[in-house]
Amino acid sequence: KNEVEQSPQNLTAQEGEFITINCSYSVGISALHWLQQHPGGGIVSLFMLSSGKKKHGRLIATINIQEKHSSLHITASHPRDSAVYICAARGRVTSGSRLTFGEGTQLTVNP
Amino acid sequence: DTGVSQNPRHKITKRGQNVTFRCDPISEHNRLYWYRQTLGQGPEFLTYFQNEAQLEKSRLLSDRFSAERPKGSFSTLEIQRTEQGDSAMYLCASSLVSFGGYTFGSGTRLTVV
Repeated sequence: KNEVEQSPQNLTAQEGEFITINCSYSVGISALHWLQQHPGGGIVSLFMLSSGKKKHGRLIATINIQEKHSSLHITASHPRDSAVYICAARGRVTSGSRLTFGEGTQLTVNP
Repeated sequence: DTGVSQNPRHKITKRGQNVTFRCDPISEHNRLYWYRQTLGQGPEFLTYFQNEAQLEKSRLLSDRFSAERPKGSFSTLEIQRTEQGDSAMYLCASSLVSFGGYTFGSGTRLTVV
């Protein structure tokens, strides 16, 4: 069992739909990152959160520390949101704060 | 500061050749990480530096791999005697110890033929 698991692996939506990507982790963390990766490989950090909820534009990220679960929501999805979304658990300072990644969710938003 | 810079962006090499990649982190970031990502998978940790000290190496980093960060600024990752299984995207990221935000480079895509 991977230490960080995401679901679904692939997600196809119609423009305007509300999207949820889930992430569960089994390791102790200092924070949980949500990342976006476009074709070509570049990774952009969307959120880093250690509790509660964060919002940026149409993106919302939540985390439940007790349940070791996080979700990324996209409201009013748009074709430009099509990308791979990756959650990553940030280890504690004693482990160098390195990231353990999920396998990613390929999101395709059709017009 | 233009973020984390990686060079080259793409590298095609013949099996058995040596390759070296470079990462220039954000200048004030004292931590630098190398990750490897194969097709369809999430990145996997390879190694990290705090300033010039290499503090951890993954078991994925075989003896053919070596990384350096000689002055605590840029870092190089060298792969000797490349194998086809080394084909992957090599990602560099940097951060501050005191603040968890990560900044990633665009990666170096290695193809071993």
